[in-house]
Amino acid sequence: GENVEQHPSTLSVQEGDSAVIKCTYSDSASNYFPWYKQELGKRPQLIIDIRSNVGEKKDQRIAVTLNKTAKHFSLHITETQPEDSAVYFCAASIAGTYKYIFGTGTRLKVLA
Amino acid sequence: DTGVSQDPRHKITKRGQNVTFRCDPISEHNRLYWYRQTLGQGPEFLTYFQNEAQLEKSRLLSDRFSAERPKGSFSTLEIQRTEQGDSAMYLCASSTPGQGRGNTIYFGEGSWLTVV
Repeated sequence: GENVEQHPSTLSVQEGDSAVIKCTYSDSASNYFPWYKQELGKRPQLIIDIRSNVGEKKDQRIAVTLNKTAKHFSLHITETQPEDSAVYFCAASIAGTYKYIFGTGTRLKVLA
Repeated sequence: DTGVSQDPRHKITKRGQNVTFRCDPISEHNRLYWYRQTLGQGPEFLTYFQNEAQLEKSRLLSDRFSAERPKGSFSTLEIQRTEQGDSAMYLCASSTPGQGRGNTIYFGEGSWLTVV
């Protein structure tokens, strides 16, 4: 069935270190992979996305990589700051539809 | 604010009562989604619309849940005979047309439901 697995569920890093969150998806025809950041009590907000025709995308301290063969994609945050502390969700589009399946989330804590 | 708006933001209801949530998408967006999120979990797909047509409804959604988008603008999500297991945040989202199937979806702030 349609599934997105996300690891780890929690991640603590020291300020200035890098953080990596990994997701795998089940639908080999998925072609769009957004990442969302959700702060406590707030809406999920898009931080970066990648389409299946590219392998990597960067936006300042954030990057996403995609390995279509292995059906996994990762979020990389460099030079982490306390304001990066939040829950991060990956998602994948489902072929033939306009819907998205989300991972279970990663709670990132950046320790000052 | 031209983002996705949801109303009410919080609702406490007694078990067995009906509740209705409203979502107003970003004005030019023709796709509208409803997701449910419980603590510690990712958003779970419920249903989505393209204009006024409901294109898919999750198998997880019982017959007590119904969603409408009568004029292709705002949408309502009704839960009948609420149960404690319905307690969650109900997120609405919308997306832009014309970019193929990889359209960015934008979420509202959510409607928190507590069933007591």
